[in-house]
Amino acid sequence: DIVMTQSPSSLAVSAGETVTINCKSSQSLFGSVRQKNYLAWYQQKPGQSPKLLIYLASTRESGVPDRFIGSGSGTDFTLTISSVQAEDLANYYCQQYYDTPNTFGAGTKLELK
Amino acid sequence: EVQILETGGGLVKPGGSLRLSCATSGFNFNDYFMNWVRQAPGKGLEWVAQIRNKNYNYATYYAESLEGRVTISRDDSKSSVYLQVSSLRAEDTAIYYCTRRTIAAPMDAWGQGASVTVSS
Repeated sequence: DIVMTQSPSSLAVSAGETVTINCKSSQSLFGSVRQKNYLAWYQQKPGQSPKLLIYLASTRESGVPDRFIGSGSGTDFTLTISSVQAEDLANYYCQQYYDTPNTFGAGTKLELK
Repeated sequence: EVQILETGGGLVKPGGSLRLSCATSGFNFNDYFMNWVRQAPGKGLEWVAQIRNKNYNYATYYAESLEGRVTISRDDSKSSVYLQVSSLRAEDTAIYYCTRRTIAAPMDAWGQGASVTVSS
């Protein structure tokens, strides 16, 4: 199974700050046929279901604000949230869908400082 | 509008069984792989099972931690997917989410979850 290692596990921020969440996979998520990285980011607010934010490592899902930026390739990926807003306080998970099982990172809790 | 609705959760005694159902609407169910993902209280997301569509011969996949105790199935005529879990343990206590994906796309739609509590 592909192991997803996410860091940090929690992050305390003030509104307006820029934050970075890292995700590392135990093997490359780059598919040679489509030349894409099969890495997604999800946001989960308390009491809610996860919501897809980013797919193919850097493509924002429809309706996701452009302050959410996904980057990276191969085994190293990053979710950057620029100018964090109060509504962004949530748990964030990376997930690989290159191979089954589609494993998740352990999550990053974004909290208010 | 895409809708995914899980039912069948509840309180179950250790060693018991449970069948979760997931009814969907608003999209062509036949085009999608369906998955179950669970989340124990205060913990992260854990992929549980996947069933592919007819084009992929309804292939099924299971998390190693649950293999032998879970069965995923689907009924395309009802746009529904099911998860049967047996020999339930306290550590199976979780919210179970039903999700969809395709071969090249991640889980872009999730249900609200069904809560399962395993306790005597």
